[in-house]
Amino acid sequence: LAKTTQPISMDSYEGQEVNITCSHNNIATNDYITWYQQFPSQGPRFIIQGYKTKVTNEVASLFIPADRKSSTLSLPRVSLSDTAVYYCLVGDGSGGYQKVTFGTGTKLQVIP
Amino acid sequence: DVKVTQSSRYLVKRTGEKVFLECVQDMDHENMFWYRQDPGLGLRLIYFSYDVKMKEKGDIPEGYSVSREKKERFSLILESASTNQTSMYLCASRERHPKTYFGPGTRLTVT
Repeated sequence: LAKTTQPISMDSYEGQEVNITCSHNNIATNDYITWYQQFPSQGPRFIIQGYKTKVTNEVASLFIPADRKSSTLSLPRVSLSDTAVYYCLVGDGSGGYQKVTFGTGTKLQVIP
Repeated sequence: DVKVTQSSRYLVKRTGEKVFLECVQDMDHENMFWYRQDPGLGLRLIYFSYDVKMKEKGDIPEGYSVSREKKERFSLILESASTNQTSMYLCASRERHPKTYFGPGTRLTVT
């Protein structure tokens, strides 16, 4: 299984850009990288996914270098409502997604 | 929007009771999952199902069983609840595409 490693926690002031990096050294050729956001007492919510280079949507950007062994989630100008846990996931190594494992995620605290 | 619903938000059961947690999704997804979430441990996969009547063990299946009689419904069963099964339980569903949809969770307390 492709394992991911993320920082346990991060603090940021409102209005700053936040970058959360995830390592996935054993990522398989067919695996996509997916990021989720979880607020307290709620289920995780899909934010963004990518395979290589850069992906941007209305919520975040995802940067993936050529070797795909890491990825960086970028949140522009965070607000207090972005305080949450962020999870990085990759596929199960076979190109399938049945047994995708969540790690402990990165707890982002946005400070006023 | 995809909707995943869980039968209860909060549940209190006694040790030894049989507990059923129900999950329903409305988007005809093939894959459904049960996770538990505990502080400091993240989300851990208990069981998943990739088709009706099909199931596979996740990382922590001990003490749990599942049932999937209809495509939209996936049930988690605690045959004899124990205090170490006190946790937040999250159901999820997914197409072949990796985007996963989660329910709101059931906070189970076993006393």
